[in-house]
Amino acid sequence: EDKVVQSPLSLVVHEGDTVTLNCSYEVTNFRSLLWYKQEKKAPTFLFMLTSSGIEKKSGRLSSILDKKELFSILNITATQTGDSAIYLCAVLRETSGSRLTFGEGTQLTVNP
Amino acid sequence: NAGVMQNPRHLVRRRGQEARLRCSPMKGHSHVYWYRQLPEEGLKFMVYLQKENIIDESGMPKERFSAEFPKEGPSILRIQQVVRGDSAAYFCASSLSGTTTRETQYFGPGTRLLVL
Repeated sequence: EDKVVQSPLSLVVHEGDTVTLNCSYEVTNFRSLLWYKQEKKAPTFLFMLTSSGIEKKSGRLSSILDKKELFSILNITATQTGDSAIYLCAVLRETSGSRLTFGEGTQLTVNP
Repeated sequence: NAGVMQNPRHLVRRRGQEARLRCSPMKGHSHVYWYRQLPEEGLKFMVYLQKENIIDESGMPKERFSAEFPKEGPSILRIQQVVRGDSAAYFCASSLSGTTTRETQYFGPGTRLLVL
């Protein structure tokens, strides 16, 4: 059975701090790994990573995938209170018919 | 461009009643996925549909749950004879293609079902 484990489960930081969120996976026929941000409503798409070692960047957020060690990290620099959310990691298999397998998420709280 | 639409946003049912959850995918998207998020848990896949076809329903309970995505109209997730354990947030996602690496799933705001 596919497994996605995120750590830490929760994290409290102050504005301006840099955070690193972790996601490790055990998946047969891995295709890609996705990061989502979930506030009170819809998970919003952040990144899709398919290749190892290529950093994806969007503003203060960046992410990288290591397919040899089976993990990904999501970095947020200069955090703001608006970054407070649950960050979800999910994996997609080649043969899964496009179903996503999610981790439990990391609850990030950024205090002013 | 409108995103994925779900309604109702909140639904309260008594045990034994039926719940119908609707999902309209993003314009041009023909692939729809339903996920369930139980309290304090991650999102769990339920079912994947294309227009008029169920592609993968391996995550859906065998009894009381059904899903459809008709040629016209929204996708419907139907829960018959609801029980308290069905209380959860039900999210719908859609994608342009189900098989291309580049395509991703975009989520709706969810329907929060509460069973009394």
